[in-house]
Amino acid sequence: NAGVTQTPKFQVLKTGQSMTLQCAQDMNHEYMSWYRQDPGMGLRLIHYSVGAGITDQGEVPNGYNVSRSTTEDFPLRLLSAAPSQTSVYFCASSPQGGQGIETQYFGPGTRLLVL
Amino acid sequence: RKEVEQDPGPFNVPEGATVAFNCTYSNSASQSFFWYRQDCRKEPKLLMSVYSSGNEDGRFTAQLNRASQYISLLIRDSKLSDSATYLCAVNMGSGSWGKFQFGAGTQVVVTP
Repeated sequence: NAGVTQTPKFQVLKTGQSMTLQCAQDMNHEYMSWYRQDPGMGLRLIHYSVGAGITDQGEVPNGYNVSRSTTEDFPLRLLSAAPSQTSVYFCASSPQGGQGIETQYFGPGTRLLVL
Repeated sequence: RKEVEQDPGPFNVPEGATVAFNCTYSNSASQSFFWYRQDCRKEPKLLMSVYSSGNEDGRFTAQLNRASQYISLLIRDSKLSDSATYLCAVNMGSGSWGKFQFGAGTQVVVTP
């Protein structure tokens, strides 16, 4: 299994450009999430999904869209990039919860710089 | 106030010593708790889940104190390779299994 994969690894955008960060997992996990990590801020949840066709907002959803058409893929779209979106983005997946001990597996991250 | 808080450190620890640090959470409905390790510029990796009764994995011991709403991590016999940032994570459980909240991390530096 490849686990959780993310592309691209690095990206430089100009203000106002749009782009999609790709995330895929091959573990048949129900839950997938997108986080951003900024210095001193820890991981902040952007959007998450509890299954194909179901998404919900996290702590910092503004400026981002997601969709979940398949169990495997959970792309994150930046609609109009802003310098404040410069960050490291992590995608994560987890098996269905319910027993209190399920946890998340993270992709290697995408480093985004918005100029 | 952040919902999950950690002392950012750094905790400078001599090799072979013991270090412990806490993570406090504000929502008493939190169900599941985890410690992650994150190396510089890498993705977080699960270190251990935290069970109500406390649990140990080799040199690492995790405790949960529901009354005071914190979890702790203790590292015994510290190794140079333990140098990393340790993130705590909280899951809200039923109805919110998809949502994890993370602390900002505690940096540990083990010195020779």
